[in-house]
Amino acid sequence: EVQLVESGGGLVQPGGSLRLSCAASGFSFSSCAMSWVRQAPGKGLEWVSLISGSSGNTYYIDSVKGRFTISRDNSKSTVYLQMNSLGADDTAVYYCAKDRSDFGDFDVDSWGQGTLVTVSS
Amino acid sequence: DIQMTQSPSSLSASVGDRVTITCRASQSINNYLNWYQQKPGKAPKLLISGASSLQSGVPSRFSGSGSGTEFTLTISSLQPEDFATYYCQQRFSTPPTFGQGAKVEIK
Repeated sequence: EVQLVESGGGLVQPGGSLRLSCAASGFSFSSCAMSWVRQAPGKGLEWVSLISGSSGNTYYIDSVKGRFTISRDNSKSTVYLQMNSLGADDTAVYYCAKDRSDFGDFDVDSWGQGTLVTVSS
Repeated sequence: DIQMTQSPSSLSASVGDRVTITCRASQSINNYLNWYQQKPGKAPKLLISGASSLQSGVPSRFSGSGSGTEFTLTISSLQPEDFATYYCQQRFSTPPTFGQGAKVEIK
């Protein structure tokens, strides 16, 4: 059974940083691209970032480029999202998601339970 | 960016009703369209990929159709556990984008 467990969310002041982690199990982690998708309170879903399985190629939406960094440690079956220069617009539940393919074509078949990031003074 | 527009944004229906949700893309996305179900406080769940392929374990009362710019999700006989918000998502081009959601409520 696929399991994705996020951690690292919390309350942070504007301009601050957080590092999210997602521990994966139940599948061949290095063979699957991984993504972070967020959902602001009461709003819809927004793709934030993706990292491919073996090559480590990355994708970011424009609004987080230069501020967020996605990475993975295949030896630990864990994907990370380093978030810097956080603003109120980044307040959301952040979901870790597993892609069907190695290279990643935004075809997600499993999601974690999410971790809440709140940016507020 | 490709805009995905769902209609209706919300609907009220009764158990046993047939429900249809439409998703329109601002340009052709072939069949690169997924449907997700999300219940309050929970993560989305993949129902249908490739516009019409039902995921393993998803009840057969769910079906998807369409290609190009217009797609539909149909629930043939609404069950109590189906009351949720449904999202379409295109993966034809970056950035991948979601519809705004369609909330199915109890009548």
